[in-house]
Amino acid sequence: DTAVSQTPKYLVTQMGNDKSIKCEQNLGHDTMYWYKQDSKKFLKIMFSYNNKELIINETVPNRFSPKSPDKAHLNLHINSLELGDSAVYFCASSQDTGSNQPQHFGDGTRLSIL
Amino acid sequence: AQSVSQHNHHVILSEAASLELGCNYSYGGTVNLFWYVQYPGQHLQLLLKYFSGDPLVKGIKGFEAEFIKSKFSFNLRKPSVQWSDTAEYFCAVIPYGGSQGNLIFGKGTKLSVKP
Repeated sequence: DTAVSQTPKYLVTQMGNDKSIKCEQNLGHDTMYWYKQDSKKFLKIMFSYNNKELIINETVPNRFSPKSPDKAHLNLHINSLELGDSAVYFCASSQDTGSNQPQHFGDGTRLSIL
Repeated sequence: AQSVSQHNHHVILSEAASLELGCNYSYGGTVNLFWYVQYPGQHLQLLLKYFSGDPLVKGIKGFEAEFIKSKFSFNLRKPSVQWSDTAEYFCAVIPYGGSQGNLIFGKGTKLSVKP
Protein backbone atom coordinates (compact mmCIF):
# COMPACT_ATOMS: atom_id res chain seq x y z
CA ASP A 1 0.00 0.00 0.00
CA THR A 2 1.31 3.40 -0.98
CA ALA A 3 1.65 5.59 2.11
CA VAL A 4 1.71 9.00 0.40
CA SER A 5 0.27 9.06 -3.09
CA GLN A 6 0.24 11.95 -5.52
CA THR A 7 -1.56 12.28 -8.81
CA PRO A 8 -0.70 12.83 -11.53
CA LYS A 9 2.87 11.59 -11.73
CA TYR A 10 3.56 13.67 -14.82
CA LEU A 11 1.82 16.85 -15.90
CA VAL A 12 2.63 18.60 -19.16
CA THR A 13 0.67 21.74 -19.92
CA GLN A 14 0.88 25.15 -21.51
CA MET A 15 1.61 28.50 -19.95
CA GLY A 16 -1.42 30.24 -18.59
CA ASN A 17 -3.37 27.08 -17.77
CA ASP A 18 -4.71 26.17 -14.33
CA LYS A 19 -3.88 22.75 -12.92
CA SER A 20 -4.22 20.76 -9.70
CA ILE A 21 -2.10 18.11 -8.05
CA LYS A 22 -3.69 15.80 -5.52
CA CYS A 23 -2.08 14.20 -2.49
CA GLU A 24 -3.41 11.61 -0.09
CA GLN A 25 -1.78 9.85 2.84
CA ASN A 26 -3.06 6.72 4.54
CA LEU A 27 -0.68 6.85 7.49
CA GLY A 28 -3.05 8.61 9.85
CA HIS A 29 -0.67 11.56 10.04
CA ASP A 30 -1.79 14.98 11.20
CA THR A 31 0.62 17.09 9.18
CA MET A 32 1.14 17.40 5.43
CA TYR A 33 3.51 19.42 3.27
CA TRP A 34 4.18 20.54 -0.26
CA TYR A 35 7.75 20.92 -1.49
CA LYS A 36 9.14 22.19 -4.78
CA GLN A 37 12.30 20.57 -6.12
CA ASP A 38 13.95 22.64 -8.81
CA SER A 39 16.15 21.49 -11.69
CA LYS A 40 19.18 21.53 -9.39
CA LYS A 41 17.41 19.15 -7.00
CA PHE A 42 17.08 21.82 -4.31
CA LEU A 43 14.09 21.08 -2.07
CA LYS A 44 12.18 24.00 -0.67
CA ILE A 45 9.06 23.86 1.44
CA MET A 46 6.03 25.66 0.11
CA PHE A 47 3.20 24.89 2.52
CA SER A 48 2.51 22.92 5.66
CA TYR A 49 -0.89 21.95 7.04
CA ASN A 50 -1.66 20.50 10.45
CA ASN A 51 -5.11 19.01 10.93
CA LYS A 52 -6.39 20.88 7.90
CA GLU A 53 -5.03 24.21 9.10
CA LEU A 54 -2.33 26.14 7.29
CA ILE A 55 0.73 26.54 9.52
CA ILE A 56 3.53 27.30 7.08
CA ASN A 57 3.22 29.44 4.00
CA GLU A 58 6.59 30.28 2.56
CA THR A 59 7.18 32.95 -0.02
CA VAL A 60 5.15 31.40 -2.77
CA PRO A 61 3.20 33.30 -5.45
CA ASN A 62 -0.49 33.50 -4.62
CA ARG A 63 -1.14 31.63 -7.87
CA PHE A 64 -0.44 28.58 -5.70
CA SER A 65 -3.32 27.68 -3.42
CA PRO A 66 -3.30 24.60 -1.20
CA LYS A 67 -6.52 23.03 -0.05
CA SER A 68 -6.98 20.44 2.68
CA PRO A 69 -10.50 18.98 2.72
CA ASP A 70 -9.48 16.64 5.55
CA LYS A 71 -6.23 15.78 7.28
CA ALA A 72 -5.53 12.90 4.89
CA HIS A 73 -5.58 15.11 1.81
CA LEU A 74 -3.63 18.16 0.73
CA ASN A 75 -4.18 19.31 -2.83
CA LEU A 76 -2.26 21.99 -4.67
CA HIS A 77 -3.95 24.20 -7.22
CA ILE A 78 -1.88 26.41 -9.49
CA ASN A 79 -3.38 29.24 -11.53
CA SER A 80 -1.91 30.87 -14.62
CA LEU A 81 1.05 28.53 -14.90
CA GLU A 82 4.40 30.07 -15.81
CA LEU A 83 7.58 28.60 -17.25
CA GLY A 84 9.31 28.95 -13.89
CA ASP A 85 6.77 26.63 -12.31
CA SER A 86 8.38 23.68 -14.08
CA ALA A 87 9.71 21.47 -11.30
CA VAL A 88 9.00 18.32 -9.36
CA TYR A 89 6.46 18.86 -6.60
CA PHE A 90 6.59 16.53 -3.61
CA CYS A 91 3.89 15.97 -1.07
CA ALA A 92 4.93 14.70 2.35
CA SER A 93 3.39 13.91 5.70
CA SER A 94 4.51 13.43 9.29
CA GLN A 95 2.82 12.18 12.43
CA ASP A 96 2.66 15.71 13.74
CA THR A 97 4.75 18.86 13.62
CA GLY A 98 7.24 17.61 16.19
CA SER A 99 10.88 18.05 15.30
CA ASN A 100 11.61 14.37 15.85
CA GLN A 101 9.00 13.15 13.39
CA PRO A 102 10.48 12.08 10.05
CA GLN A 103 8.57 12.96 6.93
CA HIS A 104 7.21 10.46 4.45
CA PHE A 105 7.30 11.59 0.85
CA GLY A 106 5.18 10.87 -2.18
CA ASP A 107 6.67 9.92 -5.54
CA GLY A 108 6.51 13.46 -6.83
CA THR A 109 4.68 15.15 -9.68
CA ARG A 110 6.88 16.31 -12.53
CA LEU A 111 5.32 19.48 -13.91
CA SER A 112 6.52 20.67 -17.31
CA ILE A 113 5.29 23.95 -18.72
CA LEU A 114 5.47 24.36 -22.49
CA ALA B 1 19.00 31.89 9.44
CA GLN B 2 19.75 28.21 9.68
CA SER B 3 21.37 26.56 6.70
CA VAL B 4 22.72 23.19 5.65
CA SER B 5 25.79 22.77 3.47
CA GLN B 6 26.64 19.69 1.50
CA HIS B 7 29.97 20.45 -0.05
CA ASN B 8 30.14 17.57 -2.49
CA HIS B 9 27.87 18.18 -5.44
CA HIS B 10 28.65 14.97 -7.29
CA VAL B 11 30.67 12.01 -6.05
CA ILE B 12 31.70 9.18 -8.36
CA LEU B 13 32.96 5.94 -6.85
CA SER B 14 33.66 2.41 -7.95
CA GLU B 15 31.86 -0.46 -6.28
CA ALA B 16 33.40 -1.52 -2.95
CA ALA B 17 34.91 1.92 -2.38
CA SER B 18 34.23 3.64 0.92
CA LEU B 19 31.92 6.61 1.05
CA GLU B 20 31.79 9.73 3.15
CA LEU B 21 29.43 12.58 2.32
CA GLY B 22 29.86 15.81 4.20
CA CYS B 23 27.08 17.76 5.87
CA ASN B 24 27.51 20.89 7.96
CA TYR B 25 24.80 23.01 9.45
CA SER B 26 24.65 26.45 10.94
CA TYR B 27 22.58 26.72 14.09
CA GLY B 28 23.76 27.46 17.59
CA GLY B 29 21.33 25.30 19.51
CA THR B 30 20.34 21.66 19.68
CA VAL B 31 19.26 20.11 16.43
CA ASN B 32 17.63 17.01 15.05
CA LEU B 33 19.40 15.66 11.99
CA PHE B 34 18.30 13.52 9.09
CA TRP B 35 19.70 11.95 5.96
CA TYR B 36 17.25 11.24 3.17
CA VAL B 37 17.98 9.34 -0.04
CA GLN B 38 16.30 9.75 -3.41
CA TYR B 39 16.86 6.90 -5.85
CA PRO B 40 16.49 7.79 -9.54
CA GLY B 41 12.89 8.56 -10.32
CA GLN B 42 11.71 7.83 -6.81
CA HIS B 43 10.61 9.72 -3.74
CA LEU B 44 12.76 10.68 -0.81
CA GLN B 45 13.18 8.04 1.85
CA LEU B 46 14.55 8.37 5.34
CA LEU B 47 18.01 6.81 5.61
CA LEU B 48 18.73 7.61 9.23
CA LYS B 49 18.13 10.20 11.90
CA TYR B 50 19.77 11.56 15.02
CA PHE B 51 17.88 13.05 17.93
CA SER B 52 20.04 12.42 20.98
CA GLY B 53 22.30 9.84 22.61
CA ASP B 54 25.03 7.96 20.79
CA PRO B 55 26.35 10.34 18.14
CA LEU B 56 27.06 7.42 15.80
CA VAL B 57 23.76 6.36 14.30
CA LYS B 58 23.12 3.44 12.03
CA GLY B 59 20.56 3.52 9.28
CA ILE B 60 19.26 1.23 6.61
CA LYS B 61 21.36 -0.47 3.93
CA GLY B 62 24.60 -0.30 5.88
CA PHE B 63 24.75 3.48 6.14
CA GLU B 64 25.82 5.29 9.27
CA ALA B 65 26.36 8.89 10.25
CA GLU B 66 28.31 10.59 12.99
CA PHE B 67 27.17 13.73 14.72
CA ILE B 68 30.08 15.91 15.81
CA LYS B 69 28.61 18.79 17.72
CA SER B 70 31.83 20.80 17.89
CA LYS B 71 32.11 20.72 14.12
CA PHE B 72 28.39 21.19 13.42
CA SER B 73 28.67 18.17 11.18
CA PHE B 74 26.66 15.05 10.44
CA ASN B 75 28.62 13.14 7.81
CA LEU B 76 27.21 10.08 6.13
CA ARG B 77 29.39 7.00 5.69
CA LYS B 78 29.31 3.56 4.18
CA PRO B 79 32.32 1.23 4.22
CA SER B 80 31.64 -0.37 0.83
CA VAL B 81 29.23 1.08 -1.72
CA GLN B 82 27.23 -0.87 -4.25
CA TRP B 83 25.92 0.10 -7.66
CA SER B 84 22.43 0.20 -6.14
CA ASP B 85 23.54 3.06 -3.88
CA THR B 86 23.51 5.38 -6.89
CA ALA B 87 21.15 8.13 -5.77
CA GLU B 88 20.86 11.68 -4.52
CA TYR B 89 21.53 12.13 -0.80
CA PHE B 90 20.06 14.97 1.21
CA CYS B 91 21.08 16.10 4.65
CA ALA B 92 18.37 17.91 6.63
CA VAL B 93 18.28 19.74 9.92
CA ILE B 94 15.60 20.99 12.23
CA PRO B 95 16.11 22.93 15.45
CA TYR B 96 15.24 20.80 18.46
CA GLY B 97 11.72 21.57 19.55
CA GLY B 98 11.01 23.30 16.28
CA SER B 99 8.36 22.35 13.83
CA GLN B 100 8.83 19.82 11.05
CA GLY B 101 7.79 22.65 8.79
CA ASN B 102 11.13 24.22 9.60
CA LEU B 103 13.04 21.27 8.18
CA ILE B 104 15.90 22.63 6.11
CA PHE B 105 17.44 20.53 3.37
CA GLY B 106 20.91 20.77 1.95
CA LYS B 107 21.26 20.99 -1.81
CA GLY B 108 21.98 17.30 -2.09
CA THR B 109 24.94 15.20 -3.19
CA LYS B 110 24.61 13.01 -6.21
CA LEU B 111 26.37 9.68 -5.79
CA SER B 112 27.22 7.67 -8.88
CA VAL B 113 28.63 4.19 -8.30
CA LYS B 114 30.35 2.53 -11.24
CA PRO B 115 29.90 -1.26 -11.48
